[in-house]
Amino acid sequence: AQTVTQSQPEMSVQEAETVTLSCTYDTSESDYYLFWYKQPPSRQMILVIRQEAYKQQNATENRFSVNFQKAAKSFSLKISDSQLGDAAMYFCAYRSAVDKIIFGKGTRLHILP
Amino acid sequence: DTGVSQDPRHKITKRGQNVTFRCDPISEHNRLYWYRQTLGQGPEFLTYFQNEAQLEKSRLLSDRFSAERPKGSFSTLEIQRTEQGDSAMYLCASSNEGLAGGETQYFGPGTRLLVL
Repeated sequence: AQTVTQSQPEMSVQEAETVTLSCTYDTSESDYYLFWYKQPPSRQMILVIRQEAYKQQNATENRFSVNFQKAAKSFSLKISDSQLGDAAMYFCAYRSAVDKIIFGKGTRLHILP
Repeated sequence: DTGVSQDPRHKITKRGQNVTFRCDPISEHNRLYWYRQTLGQGPEFLTYFQNEAQLEKSRLLSDRFSAERPKGSFSTLEIQRTEQGDSAMYLCASSNEGLAGGETQYFGPGTRLLVL
């Protein structure tokens, strides 16, 4: 069975600084997708970034980028120029091609002004 | 607003009562998912539909839980004889899956259930 592990329950970063959230996963499949979702307090879960496993190039979305290491089964999220609005729970998630999403337990990110 | 909507947003009930939640997916999305999220945890998969067909159910979905998507549009999740352990946020998500799969799932705001 696939698993997703986020080893950092909480992290803090100074506003305008860069922070990296870690995620590892376990799977025997070769075709899959990885996601980072953001869940602000009492608000809706929204997609931050996605990565197709068959793509070698790391995905980027404005200030958000990933470091996808397929052989190591690692999928970290880097947030540059952190802003107060980035404070949230961040969930790493795995999905096979036609299946449900499996989420990690999340990392709570605090932004220090 | 064309996003995923859920109703009600909050529900308080007494142990033993039945509750029903509704999810309206993004229009024309053929996949609809239900997840459960307890405090401080990531969402856990419950079940999903491809159009009106329920394709998979988690072992978390006991006999007291039932979900339907009768016309392939909105879905309902019913919990019978609620227990305090059912207290959680129930999330709905939808996607528009093609043959290749892997489409992004879009989440609704959730229904927060509290069983007293």
